[in-house]
Amino acid sequence: DVKVTQSSRYLVKRTGEKVFLECVQDMDHENMFWYRQDPGLGLRLIYFSYDVKMKEKGDIPEGYSVSREKKERFSLILESASTNQTSMYLCASSLDSSYGYTFGSGTRLTVV
Amino acid sequence: AQKITQTQPGMFVQEKEAVTLDCTYDTSDPSYGLFWYKQPSSGEMIFLIYQGSYDQQNATEGRYSLNFQKARKSANLVISASQLGDSAMYFCAMRGGFSGGYNKLIFGAGTRLAVHP
Repeated sequence: DVKVTQSSRYLVKRTGEKVFLECVQDMDHENMFWYRQDPGLGLRLIYFSYDVKMKEKGDIPEGYSVSREKKERFSLILESASTNQTSMYLCASSLDSSYGYTFGSGTRLTVV
Repeated sequence: AQKITQTQPGMFVQEKEAVTLDCTYDTSDPSYGLFWYKQPSSGEMIFLIYQGSYDQQNATEGRYSLNFQKARKSANLVISASQLGDSAMYFCAMRGGFSGGYNKLIFGAGTRLAVHP
């Protein structure tokens, strides 16, 4: 089974801190994604990557950046955390888009 | 622009009965894929079913079936013989065609299903 692992289940950070959310997948998938999930809004795509060192903006990239130095790892960076970035963050990976996407268990980030 | 709409914020159903969760989509791409995911209270996203835009038959996976009406741009999820463990949030999602970012999924707002004994 494909496994997508997010390093933290819960995080509490202070406003203005630089925050790193890490995601690792173990099945050599080309594509990786970062979403945030908020009640009533579903999942919204922040950034995605289809290859090492490649990245594409999603629908809500402002305030975020990403890094993909190795195929298995996709990091989401909050350059200066703000309270409106308090959310659930979900990482996903896929090999072939016809077969769906495998999600990590999520990181619930609270910015205080 | 591509869009997924789930108009039912919450639904409830009696155990052992069938329930339909609505999903409509908007895209100008001829090639696209539609997905349903289940998210229990534990938070993980569980893939349920997939329908390709060129598939002739409606997708089925065990108790889940997708009622795909292409002309109406709808992709409703039907759960037959509901079980208590089906209580969860359900998301409809679409993978865009080439003009919509081929590999990215866009999601609806979700429907929370409660199964009553």
